[in-house]
Order: sequence, then C-alpha cells, then structure tokens
Amino acid sequence: EIVLTQSPATLSLSPGERATLSCRASQSVTSSYLAWYQQRPGQAPRLLIYGASNRATDIPDRFSGSGSGTDFTLTISRVEPEDFAVYYCQQYGSSPRTFGQGTKVEIK
Amino acid sequence: EVQLVESGGGLVKPGGSLKLSCVGTGSTFIYAWMSWVRQAPGKGLEWVGRIKSIGSGGTTDYAAPVKGRFKISRDDSKNTLYLQMDSLRIEDTAVYYCTTQGGTPETTGFFNSWGPGSLVTVSS
Repeated sequence: EIVLTQSPATLSLSPGERATLSCRASQSVTSSYLAWYQQRPGQAPRLLIYGASNRATDIPDRFSGSGSGTDFTLTISRVEPEDFAVYYCQQYGSSPRTFGQGTKVEIK
Repeated sequence: EVQLVESGGGLVKPGGSLKLSCVGTGSTFIYAWMSWVRQAPGKGLEWVGRIKSIGSGGTTDYAAPVKGRFKISRDDSKNTLYLQMDSLRIEDTAVYYCTTQGGTPETTGFFNSWGPGSLVTVSS
C-alpha cells in the first residue's frame, strides 16, 4: 500500500498570498496518477486536479498541480476567501487507492 | 456530470447490518465506474471499494478493512449503487460518500463526482 504524507498539517495564510502544499508518496506513483481534492467544512470533497497537473472541470486557474514519482505539489497562486479548507492528495496508480491525511489552509 | 445522492444511513449496533443506496442522475450512469469513500468523524478520507461498469465486467475490489464484510452492487435500470455492510464494527462509523470515477478504464481511479454523504453510526 502506498502511504501519502502531506505537509504542512496546517498552513496559515492571508487572502492574496501563495499557498504551496506538499504530498510525498512512500513509493513511486505510477504514471503520475495523483489527484487533489478540496473539502470545505460540512461539504463533500471536490476534485481539483487529476493526473498530477490536470485541472478538473470548472476549477479556477489559480489552482495548479505539479510533480512526479514520489513528490507532488498543489499551488494556489493567490488564496481567495473561499479557498480556506482542507486539501487531500490521493494516488490511483495502485490498489488500494490511498489518501494523504490532509492539509488545512486557514486564515492567518 | 452525474449527480449523486446517498440514503440509508443511521444508527446500528455492533455486529449489525445496514445497506446504503446511491441514486445517480443522467444517462451516463451505466458507463460509470463507482466507488464508496468514507470519512470517520474528524478524520481523513478512506477508499472503501469500487465496482466497474457492467460493460467493463462489473467486478468489485475492496479495501482490506472491509473485505469479506461489505459488498458493492449496482442496478443500472434504477441508476442506483448499493453498499451492503455486514458485521459492522464501531470503527466503521463514518460518513459514506458515493463517487464516480473519472478518466478512461485505463486511467481511472480518481473521484470526479461526489454525493453529499450518508452518516453511519455503529454504537451499542
């Protein structure tokens, strides 16, 4: 089973700042099959990025994903008020599909 | 994009059973590979299991903690996905989300549509 470790656990930012979230895998993720999700309080998760760098439908271009192998990054170029939430990475290159433990982006 | 709504959650005693349903809208439901993902209170996300489309064989795959206790099935004539949960344990307490998997059969495995979730509480 691939273990995903996200850092930091909490990121405190002001609106307009840049957010950089990290996801490290315990072994190489096949074909960069890595996704990112956003979960706001009381809501279901929402797909942001798949294939490490492809934005999902209707996702603003301030969200971008990068990386390969074992190291992946989600960047929010300028954090908007609605972006304060928990973010999860997930690998789907092997079964079982596994998620990271999440990074909370909170208002500073 | 398929819209999903779960139902059937509730309170059940340890060792008991419960069956969740998930109704999807749209004609593309029959082509969708579907998964259940759960989230224990205050915790992260955990994949539970997956069923392929009938056209891809309709086979299932499960996470180790639920294998042999949970069963996923589908009725495409009703656009409905099911999760039969038996021998429930306290640690199965969670919100259960129904999801569709995006991509092609060769690249699938990420979850592009989610229902609002259904809470299952296992407690005596």
